[in-house]
Amino acid sequence: SQQGEEDPQALSIQEGENATMNCSYKTSINNLQWYRQNSGRGLVHLILIRSNEREKHSGRLRVTLDTSKKSSSLLITASRAADTASYFCATVKNTGGFKTIFGAGTRLFVKA
Amino acid sequence: DAGITQSPRHKVTETGTPVTLRCHQTENHRYMYWYRQDPGHGLRLIHYSYGVKDTDKGEVSDGYSVSRSKTEDFLLTLESATSSQTSVYFCAISEVGRADTGELFFGEGSRLTVL
Repeated sequence: SQQGEEDPQALSIQEGENATMNCSYKTSINNLQWYRQNSGRGLVHLILIRSNEREKHSGRLRVTLDTSKKSSSLLITASRAADTASYFCATVKNTGGFKTIFGAGTRLFVKA
Repeated sequence: DAGITQSPRHKVTETGTPVTLRCHQTENHRYMYWYRQDPGHGLRLIHYSYGVKDTDKGEVSDGYSVSRSKTEDFLLTLESATSSQTSVYFCAISEVGRADTGELFFGEGSRLTVL
């Protein structure tokens, strides 16, 4: 089964509202990352948080990591219609080689 | 944009035929990955490579093989395609391990339909 699982599967909000997506994982990790995918395109890296970090910010993005609960959250503040996309968490684990495993994603729709 | 090229971008084939997808990078990154993306499953790791001739299995490796004879090329082969392998395939590259950044750069995907 997959390392990361996102919640909710889909989220619809109004422009200007905040969007929160959650990710849970099962085993120890080296770091956790969030990616964005626009329809029909490849994924684009948003932010990385290391296992010894608890919170990280990048522009309108805030990521938290709770290794004791094996969970992470991505907050997008003041959302815009252009934020409409799918968002994926990914965990990186050193198993001899570095495997990057993705969750099923959250589909975010921001209404203008 | 990272220099990653996937080919072909679209392919329709019949059950039982062999298929090879190619991923070519110009970044000299050590790690290369093949994922498949299906509705409701997100991205699932098929195989990955951490150097020339060094490969390992991912979550869904059955029915797939890979080869990496040069740093820049990572080939994914379906020896005998089945309808369950209809999917969008993404190649990704990374320098993870050198600076523990682990950021993946993705290609634009290859859409494969097996009839």
